[in-house]
Amino acid sequence: QVQLQESGPGLVKPSETLSLTCTVSGGSISGHYGSWIRQPPGMKLELIGYIYYSGSTTYNPSLKGRVSISVDTSKNQFSLKLSSVTAADTAVYYCAKKGGKTKGYAFDYWGQGTLVTVSS
Amino acid sequence: DIQMTQSPSSLSASVGDRVTITCRASQSISTYLNWYQQKPGKAPKLLIYAASSLQTGVPSRFSGSGSGTDFTVTISSLQPEDFATYYCQESYSIPHTFGQGTKLEIK
Repeated sequence: QVQLQESGPGLVKPSETLSLTCTVSGGSISGHYGSWIRQPPGMKLELIGYIYYSGSTTYNPSLKGRVSISVDTSKNQFSLKLSSVTAADTAVYYCAKKGGKTKGYAFDYWGQGTLVTVSS
Repeated sequence: DIQMTQSPSSLSASVGDRVTITCRASQSISTYLNWYQQKPGKAPKLLIYAASSLQTGVPSRFSGSGSGTDFTVTISSLQPEDFATYYCQESYSIPHTFGQGTKLEIK
């Protein structure tokens, strides 16, 4: 059973960079997509972007320019960096595995989520 | 971006009821439509992918249908553990938009 776990600071100051890491266990990240999805309090889910194990990335255009996702296959991890954060970036951040064509490209496994608050 | 609109936004029902939630896409997405269940303080859980395929381990009382722009998820007989918020999500194009959610509450 694949499991994902987010880690990183829960508090980030405005204008600084939010950094999170997702560690995958119970399976290899190779051959798969790792995704970041966020949910502001009381709001709907929003895709931030995803990365193929080879390093190819796709980002939500609304965040492009501020977001960077990287992968470390040797550690079975992928990471998120979101720069120049504001209070609007306060959200629960989830990492998730994106299934391939046979799973309709759905997000089939999720981490438990981590709340990141942007505040001075 | 493709807009995903769910209806209703909230729904009250009783254990044993048959419930249907609708999701409409702003343009055709073929069958690239997925449904998730989210309970308070928990991560979403995939229920249905590709409009009608049941994710492994999901009870058969859940079913999905639709193609193009109109989709539904149906719970044939509500169980106490089904009271949650349900989201549809398109995986046809970036940014893989989620619907606004349907909160299913106990009547």
